[in-house]
Amino acid sequence: DQQVKQNSPSLSVQEGRISILNCDYTNSMFDYFLWYKKYPAEGPTFLISISSIKDKNEDGRFTVFLNKSAKHLSLHIVPSQPGDSAVYFCAASAPNTDKLIFGTGTRLQVFP
Amino acid sequence: DAGVIQSPRHEVTEMGQEVTLRCKPISGHNSLFWYRQTMMRGLELLIYFNNNVPIDDSGMPEDRFSAKMPNASFSTLKIQPSEPRDSAVYFCASSFPGGGNQPQHFGDGTRLSIL
Repeated sequence: DQQVKQNSPSLSVQEGRISILNCDYTNSMFDYFLWYKKYPAEGPTFLISISSIKDKNEDGRFTVFLNKSAKHLSLHIVPSQPGDSAVYFCAASAPNTDKLIFGTGTRLQVFP
Repeated sequence: DAGVIQSPRHEVTEMGQEVTLRCKPISGHNSLFWYRQTMMRGLELLIYFNNNVPIDDSGMPEDRFSAKMPNASFSTLKIQPSEPRDSAVYFCASSFPGGGNQPQHFGDGTRLSIL
């Protein structure tokens, strides 16, 4: 069973607009949530994270929102740039483990 | 700073052969992770080590897979004998211990093709 789900396999957004990537989870024990970005032929790179005690974390153009009651988080990219075109993975971890559970990823394409 | 280094980048071999993937973590990182990426299942954790000791190997698919970490700067993932369904991209990652509070740093992966 998938504890972390990214239901949209792909998303296409015009340059300058907002990109919103969504992620749902089932385990209420998760205490950290992370977003990774992956370009072809490269490993995933860490983008931004949020603790379960917060509902928002911002880093430049990237903001992650957490809705614990809905077990839902989202990554907002504003404004979107062509260089943001990549696969984005949502991941979650539980207390007392270093293990990350990843979603299946969403491919974002930002077009001019 | 050198990141996580994986070798080889690509491996093509015939079914039944032994395959060994290698990983050098970032110096100072105590935790090391092996993942497999497939289209169907995304990124799956196979095994992870803390201070060279295997902590969780529940993701290792079957006995044909084994992983070792003989010292803090080197780990191997071995498949013997290999099968076509093992074809995937295998990633190694490392981090400081601390769960989700310590982001994992990934290597660029080994693309494995079993014919």
